[in-house]
Amino acid sequence: ETAVFQTPNYHVTQVGNEVSFNCKQTLGHDTMYWYKQDSKKLLKIMFSYNNKQLIVNETVPRRFSPQSSDKAHLNLRIKSVEPEDSAVYLCATGGEQFFGPGTRLTVL
Amino acid sequence: GQQVQQSPTSLVLQEGENAELQCNFSTSLNSMQWFYQRPGGSLISVFYNPSGTKQSGRLTSTTVIKERRSSLHISSSQITDSGTYLCAVNMGYKLTFGTGTSLLVDP
Repeated sequence: ETAVFQTPNYHVTQVGNEVSFNCKQTLGHDTMYWYKQDSKKLLKIMFSYNNKQLIVNETVPRRFSPQSSDKAHLNLRIKSVEPEDSAVYLCATGGEQFFGPGTRLTVL
Repeated sequence: GQQVQQSPTSLVLQEGENAELQCNFSTSLNSMQWFYQRPGGSLISVFYNPSGTKQSGRLTSTTVIKERRSSLHISSSQITDSGTYLCAVNMGYKLTFGTGTSLLVDP
């Protein structure tokens, strides 16, 4: 049963464009996260939020900005994408963390 | 250095064989988790295991916090077990992942 929803599933864009990814969780947890999985399948934390408050920002370039309207939603905006941003972006929630299906970004 | 190390990097089994996957971590932690991921698929939580032994079907996870290690045992492997197994440690509001063990189970 899916409880962490992400949109879109895929996004292809050009260098310099702005993109936004959405994440919603229906588990009622206070914490939400964004992770990046690169082409080598390495997973790294980007941001952690607790009840709409930014808790962790793992040395992510400033063109990345998370946005949380309430504790069930955490979006990710990338202002001016670069080729190295091509990856799968995974949203998660909870102490025991549950992940969404991911958004695959390809930057041409 | 790498805070979470997994071994082996890859593993090939014949269907029915058992497997033991290892995860070692170099720091203290709140809890750890094992995940399963199919190629192109999302992460599925297999075990959330702060300490001790947990079993779910053919899978058993044993975590010894003091020794900074965890293992995932797969018994009587099946073709559908093929994929990547990732361990991750929670050090406070984030998971730090290992590089994974890629498992292929042949018929």
